[in-house]
Formats: sequence, structure tokens, C-alpha cells
Amino acid sequence: GAGVSQTPSNKVTEKGKYVELRCDPISGHTALYWYRQSLGQGPEFLIYFQGTGAADDSGLPNDRFFAVRPEGSVSTLKIQRTERGDSAVYLCASSPSGTYTEAFFGQGTRLTVV
Amino acid sequence: RKEVEQDPGPFNVPEGATVAFNCTYSNSASQSFFWYRQDCRKEPKLLMSVYSSGNEDGRFTAQLNRASQYISLLIRDSKLSDSATYLCVVTDSWGKLQFGAGTQVVVTP
Repeated sequence: GAGVSQTPSNKVTEKGKYVELRCDPISGHTALYWYRQSLGQGPEFLIYFQGTGAADDSGLPNDRFFAVRPEGSVSTLKIQRTERGDSAVYLCASSPSGTYTEAFFGQGTRLTVV
Repeated sequence: RKEVEQDPGPFNVPEGATVAFNCTYSNSASQSFFWYRQDCRKEPKLLMSVYSSGNEDGRFTAQLNRASQYISLLIRDSKLSDSATYLCVVTDSWGKLQFGAGTQVVVTP
């Protein structure tokens, strides 16, 4: 399909391990967002890309979290030394330009750290 | 203080009734405003944009009050299928989307 694709859909990892979460945005969308959502909460902003560069990474909780978008399309969210508190649904969204346009979400990656 | 605040609810609404709820935002420089809908264990989807003059989309009416920094959503003639969490979304001048925690609506037969 032509929607936002996130892989894997589910990821179980052991505490202390490294994980990568992938997002394929809608083709041509320049803006890409990462959020994480815990049960009963709204999506919490992590990072926002315009093209290849991070326009705003103020939501990354600490230096264990890092995201890249090297060619301005696919993005990878990387989490080092995972902790149980990192367990959440990680949502990716893309939009044509950012400010005034609708953002389309992927179905998310459910990360469980055991 | 959170940048976007919503009453979490739940709002229990009889089928056919009207329900309304608000969202407040703290950044007076916010550029654009949206309501998203999220069903249980699903991703958020755009319900409607919110314009300064207010706007309707079928049974849904959204209003923006920039002076008081709040937006509202009203649902008329509620359907069972309207049961969901409604997320208020505000963007800044850079396009960053900030979400509220959501308002849960439960429509009962």
C-alpha cells in the first residue's frame, strides 16, 4: 500500500539490548515524526525531521535514543541499552510539508523490554 | 504544565445525544490545530482541521478561540461508532505536532 509502514510491528527484547525501529513514510513526504505512546496516554513527541535533518529532537528522553533519516525517506529510531521503561508503542508519521498539513501515521511498533 | 491539555473523560453519551469537549494549549504562537481520532490499539487518524472561523464536517463541529487558547469539538447525534479517544493536536511554526493526552468518548445504546 501507499501508507506509512513501520517494522517490526512487535518487538520483544531483553533489558540492556540494542533495538532499531524502522519507518517507511509515504513517498514524497518531507516531514517525518516519531512519537511514543503508553497505555492511556497521548502520543509523546520524540523527534521531527524535515528532509534529512532533525528539525527538532527535543523530545528524545536521553542519549540512549537516536534517530536518523540519511536520504530523506526511510528513518530508523535506535535505542541503546534498553530499559523496561522504554516499553511502549512507537509511532511514526509523515506529512507533505509539516505545518498545515495532515500527518499520516503508521500502525506503530509495540516494543516490550523484559 | 503540559503544552496541550485535555479532559481525559470518559464522556458517557447516550446514542443520539450531543457531546462537547475542549482542549487548551499554552503556546500562543501555535500555527495550526487539528482533532485526531484514535480507536483502541490503532494509530491516530485525522478527524478534522480546525479553522479560526470554526468549521463543520457532518455531525462534527470544531471551534478555535485564539484569545483564550482553546479549541473545542462538538459531536451531534452521536453514533455507537463515535466511541473513541479524541486527540487535540497543535503545531508550532516549525511544524512540530504536539498531542494532548486525549478525551475518551463512550457512546451507549
